[in-house]
Amino acid sequence: AQSVSQHNHHVILSEAASLELGCNYSYGGTVNLFWYVQYPGQHLQLLLKYFSGDPLVKGIKGFEAEFIKSKFSFNLRKPSVQWSDTAEYFCAVIGKTSYDKVIFGPGTSLSVIP
Amino acid sequence: DAGVIQSPRHEVTEMGQEVTLRCKPISGHNSLFWYRQTMMRGLELLIYFNNNVPIDDSGMPEDRFSAKMPNASFSTLKIQPSEPRDSAVYFCASSSTGGGTEAFFGQGTRLTVV
Repeated sequence: AQSVSQHNHHVILSEAASLELGCNYSYGGTVNLFWYVQYPGQHLQLLLKYFSGDPLVKGIKGFEAEFIKSKFSFNLRKPSVQWSDTAEYFCAVIGKTSYDKVIFGPGTSLSVIP
Repeated sequence: DAGVIQSPRHEVTEMGQEVTLRCKPISGHNSLFWYRQTMMRGLELLIYFNNNVPIDDSGMPEDRFSAKMPNASFSTLKIQPSEPRDSAVYFCASSSTGGGTEAFFGQGTRLTVV
């Protein structure tokens, strides 16, 4: 079955702390991977994506993610979080064929304390 | 491009009434997705279209829900009759063809059924 799991439901950090959000997926076939962010009261926005090539991808606002194929993982990292990073973060996967649909993880709520 | 446009942004209706949510995808995108987001169930894919054809409607909760895409620039999600448990934020998203591309989300419609 196709699925995406995220390791943490809710993470609380102090400003300047380092962040790592875990994501694992189950999917038969090659995939593209995404991290989306949803700020309070807003819609989902793309944070970064991996299609191919260098497994370490950099996104907006200092975020990066590493694709480890052998572990079916795509963890999100940021060396130093800010209060403005408080949001819900969703990992997502989609197959590379035309009719595949995006599978979202359950989301991780990040609260950054000033 | 104005992005994915949804209307209305907020809808409050009484139980039993018909509700119609509207979505205009990004021009040139030919995949369209309807999602529902609640605190309890997270982000759920209800249905998605490719080239105006419904590809997967397995996420539609029951017969009270229906979705149409009469042309490439417009889609509707209808709930008839509505129930309080339908209260949620409904997101529409679109993506371009070719498989595996990221989805762009609209601002969502917050539906409250009283």
